[in-house]
Amino acid sequence: EPEVTQTPSHQVTQMGQEVILRCVPISNHLYFYWYRQILGQKVEFLVSFYNNEISEKSEIFDDQFSVERPDGSNFTLKIRSTKLEDSAMYFCASSGVAALGETQYFGPGTRLLVL
Amino acid sequence: GENVEQHPSTLSVQEGDSAVIKCTYSDSASNYFPWYKQELGKRPQLIIDIRSNVGEKKDQRIAVTLNKTAKHFSLHITETQPEDSAVYFCAASLGGAGGGADGLTFGKGTHLIIQP
Repeated sequence: EPEVTQTPSHQVTQMGQEVILRCVPISNHLYFYWYRQILGQKVEFLVSFYNNEISEKSEIFDDQFSVERPDGSNFTLKIRSTKLEDSAMYFCASSGVAALGETQYFGPGTRLLVL
Repeated sequence: GENVEQHPSTLSVQEGDSAVIKCTYSDSASNYFPWYKQELGKRPQLIIDIRSNVGEKKDQRIAVTLNKTAKHFSLHITETQPEDSAVYFCAASLGGAGGGADGLTFGKGTHLIIQP
């Protein structure tokens, strides 16, 4: 069964540094998402992406964040200048062709630690 | 925006008993309600979902009910087993009704503990 994959599994960075988190969505999916989960807390929506543009974004997704689909398979989340509070697990998700109530499948996550 | 409340935060049941987790949502436009199971350090995995055009859905030991008028939905697990121990999250979204890729708003999660 196809799965969403993410790299790296863990990332440690210094405050103020840029990080890029990578995701490979399920191959025939058209809708892509990033979520984050601070340790012990709920999953929070960051941004969704469709047809090469942002579809929806939350208040968390400020100017420090950006997303890109640089080629036909990868979907990336960039944090330009990391802050301590960016430490979290970041999950990528994708959903299929039909948008209406389509299941979102999550990747294994990237655990980001900002020191 | 949407707000999802989930109760209880922790639920301990004896193996073989039933477990019920409840969620309420605030946005009457929401029409898609998935439930995810998350084991420690793992990704959230969909276990069941329901769309607003149905009131109940069942898959073996797992069922979900939806009351759109009251804006609440519940997860029911029968004949609980040790492997059901995990954190369960409910979520809500517009389900694409907004014309795009709608993000999920999650509840805070329920830590389900199955006592042997």
